[in-house]
Amino acid sequence: NAGVTQTPKFQVLKTGQSMTLQCAQDMNHNSMYWYRQDPGMGLRLIYYSASEGTTDKGEVPNGYNVSRLNKREFSLRLESAAPSQTSVYFCASSERDRSRNQPQHFGDGTRLSIL
Amino acid sequence: SQQGEEDPQALSIQEGENATMNCSYKTSINNLQWYRQNSGRGFVHLILIRSNEREKHSGRLRVTLDTSKKSSSLLITASRAADTASYFCATDGGSNYKLTFGKGTLLTVNP
Repeated sequence: NAGVTQTPKFQVLKTGQSMTLQCAQDMNHNSMYWYRQDPGMGLRLIYYSASEGTTDKGEVPNGYNVSRLNKREFSLRLESAAPSQTSVYFCASSERDRSRNQPQHFGDGTRLSIL
Repeated sequence: SQQGEEDPQALSIQEGENATMNCSYKTSINNLQWYRQNSGRGFVHLILIRSNEREKHSGRLRVTLDTSKKSSSLLITASRAADTASYFCATDGGSNYKLTFGKGTLLTVNP
């Protein structure tokens, strides 16, 4: 049971290049999330998808776009990478129920460096 | 902006000792969760405590929640070297199942 799978694990880009970070979960979860983690900053939410067909901005959405391709997959795109987007990116998923008391399950992260 | 703030930022103890980490938050919550991160890898969910609960146990973990003080604590008893990690609290207080994470406590357990 893979859980949440992120690809690639590492990537180096030049300023201005574009790329898409892929995320897939096999737990049949409705909600999916993209975070970035910077030193001393904890996790900050970039975008999330509460359910298939919907996406919403989080705390730091500028410079990113997302696509909820289907229930399993949620991708994050950098259209024109900037050095400030150097970070570790985490994808997560969770179930969605009325109690809202569900944990999030995380992938192992993508380490992205932009030169 | 971060909702939860962990205290202390770093904690170093000897194996066998207990470790206590605290989390304070600012607004009302539906639940509060604790996560562990090993060496920059993925986050692992440890325990969830609902706003109407005051204490919860899971193995060597004990979590308390005081909604009047907007604070929570995570106690790890009889710590082991394998407990060395960063620990984060996360609050769920809004809609759409978003979590807001704190900056974490780095726990080092020395053998």
